[in-house]
Amino acid sequence: NAGVTQTPKFRVLKTGQSMTLLCAQDMNHEYMYWYRQDPGMGLRLIHYSVGEGTTAKGEVPDGYNVSRLKKQNVLLGLESAAPSQTSVYFCASSYVLAGAVEQFFGPGTRLTVL
Amino acid sequence: GQNIDQPTEMTATEGAIVQINCTYQTSGFNGLFWYQQHAGEAPTFLSYNVLDGLEEKGRFSSFLSRSKGYSYLLLKELQMKDSASYLCAVMDSNYQLIWGAGTKLIIKP
Repeated sequence: NAGVTQTPKFRVLKTGQSMTLLCAQDMNHEYMYWYRQDPGMGLRLIHYSVGEGTTAKGEVPDGYNVSRLKKQNVLLGLESAAPSQTSVYFCASSYVLAGAVEQFFGPGTRLTVL
Repeated sequence: GQNIDQPTEMTATEGAIVQINCTYQTSGFNGLFWYQQHAGEAPTFLSYNVLDGLEEKGRFSSFLSRSKGYSYLLLKELQMKDSASYLCAVMDSNYQLIWGAGTKLIIKP
């Protein structure tokens, strides 16, 4: 039982390049989330998904796209990377949306945009 | 706007007790969470409060006062492994988690 996994762990991009972050979970969770974490700030929700084939915008969606083709996986895409997107990206999943339900987090992807 | 406030950093001694406070102003309230995050690692769930009062779980307890928009996390019998950041998060009316910036707890021998 691997829980939530993310690839890659580290990445350096140049401004304008594109990339895709992959998240997978083996807990059969319906809900999946993408967050970014920056120094001195709380985690901020980028996009989330309430089930296979569905996605929705979070607090800071601009510059990102998301897709959930399979229940187990969610992708986060950066179409044209900018230095402001330098951050640590966490994927999380949960069984339900509300109540005393914890979100399980992946180990994170550390992205630097030069 | 929505806001979660926590102290940036706290220092405590091994074996002692420490209380980490969190105040919040959010659009709606569907529960308050505490997570622990060791440096360079992912956050992990510690506790959940939705009703006023104290929830105890081993060495950790969490308190909530909804009327005051206030919570605290109490850590007893501190151990060196408790050195970490502690994140307060509130679930708002849209069932999204609003996160505080975290409190870095430093434990000294």
